[in-house]
Parts: sequence; structure tokens; C-alpha cells
Amino acid sequence: DGGITQSPKYLFRKEGQNVTLSCEQNLNHDAMYWYRQDPGQGLRLIYYSQIVNDFQKGDIAEGYSVSREKKESFPLTVTSAQKNPTAFYLCATRQLMNTEAFFGQGTRLTVV
Amino acid sequence: AQSVTQPDIHITVSEGASLELRCNYSYGATPYLFWYVQSPGQGLQLLLKYFSGDTLVQGIKGFEAEFKRSQSSFNLRKPSVHWSDAAEYFCAVATPGGYQKVTFGTGTKLQVIP
Repeated sequence: DGGITQSPKYLFRKEGQNVTLSCEQNLNHDAMYWYRQDPGQGLRLIYYSQIVNDFQKGDIAEGYSVSREKKESFPLTVTSAQKNPTAFYLCATRQLMNTEAFFGQGTRLTVV
Repeated sequence: AQSVTQPDIHITVSEGASLELRCNYSYGATPYLFWYVQSPGQGLQLLLKYFSGDTLVQGIKGFEAEFKRSQSSFNLRKPSVHWSDAAEYFCAVATPGGYQKVTFGTGTKLQVIP
């Protein structure tokens, strides 16, 4: 069954802790993206990657880190430097050139 | 850098009425354009896309959109809205070539009343 799997669906974090959100895809897409969604602000790009071992900062990369060691995986770490991490996080993939992005079901992160 | 503006934060329409959601983009050339729909707590589903060619594109669920270069717009339309269309709608742009960011608008929340 092809698709994008984000886990976990819900995540709770204590202040000062790092946490990693998982995104795995079996669509064989080259590009992967992480977006943050807050009410009234749409989707804001955190990081994106077009090939293994390469990634670019998006518009709101501060306090986040990523890796792309495998084509199928693009985990996002929310560090303690992110001052307001509570949000809905969406992972997307895209085959490069003339294609749309496909989305996972999201992870809702709450700082407690 | 590209940007997307969705001027309507919230729209309410009656079931059976027509719908138009506005989207304006900023980019020096013709970008790739998309409309997505999102139900609460879910990911995004593609409604339709424009890359080139015919400026009127048809999508799923009876939606269509028209690309107007002169107005830098890509408005989404549906002739008759159903209660199940209540959701949030996002317009997005991607730049052809190079490092391809996909940029989204802030969304329009659609409410459908009986």
C-alpha cells in the first residue's frame, strides 16, 4: 500500500526536551517537505529536501533540524530552541518536475 | 520569492449555491498552481493543478479553477456546493525548475449552511 506515514499522530513534549517526528514514504518520490500549520497561518515551510544527504531551510527553520539519510525517510527534530512548538506538522513528498505534493496525515505536537 | 494570497479567511454559502474562492500569487513567470482541501485534523488532498496549456482546469468533486495571467489569479469555483464541501481550502504555488519550494496560502475556511 503506497503512501506517506507520519508517526506518531499525537505527541506530547515537556518544555526543554527535543522530540523527533517521523515521516516515511514508499512512493519513491525524490523531494520531501516539512510544514507547520497554525490556525490562520496556513502551511509554513520548515525544511525541504530534493535528494539524499541534502536539504534546504524553509521559511521557519529556526529551532528545527532534519536529516535525509535514506530516500524513504525525512525525520524532523523539534529542539528545545523552538520557543512555540505546539502545532500540527505535515510531511509531504513530491516527484520533481510537473507534479503535485502528496501529504501525510500529520502529527499534532503539544508542549505540556 | 513566490507568495500566495487568499484574501478570504472564512466564507459561508448555502447548500446548492455557487462558490468562488480567490487566490492571487506573486511570481515573475508562470508558476505551477494547485488547490488542496483539508478536513479537520487531516492531511491535504489535491483538488486540481495547473502547469500549462488550457487555463480552465477541472478537478475532483466537481471543482474547477481558472488561471488568469493578467490578474495573477487562480480562483477555485464550484457551481453547486454540497454540505460535504465544508472544509479548509488552500491555494499553493511551486516554481518550475531549480530548487522547488511549494508555498501555500493561509487558507479559506468554507462553511455550508442548509
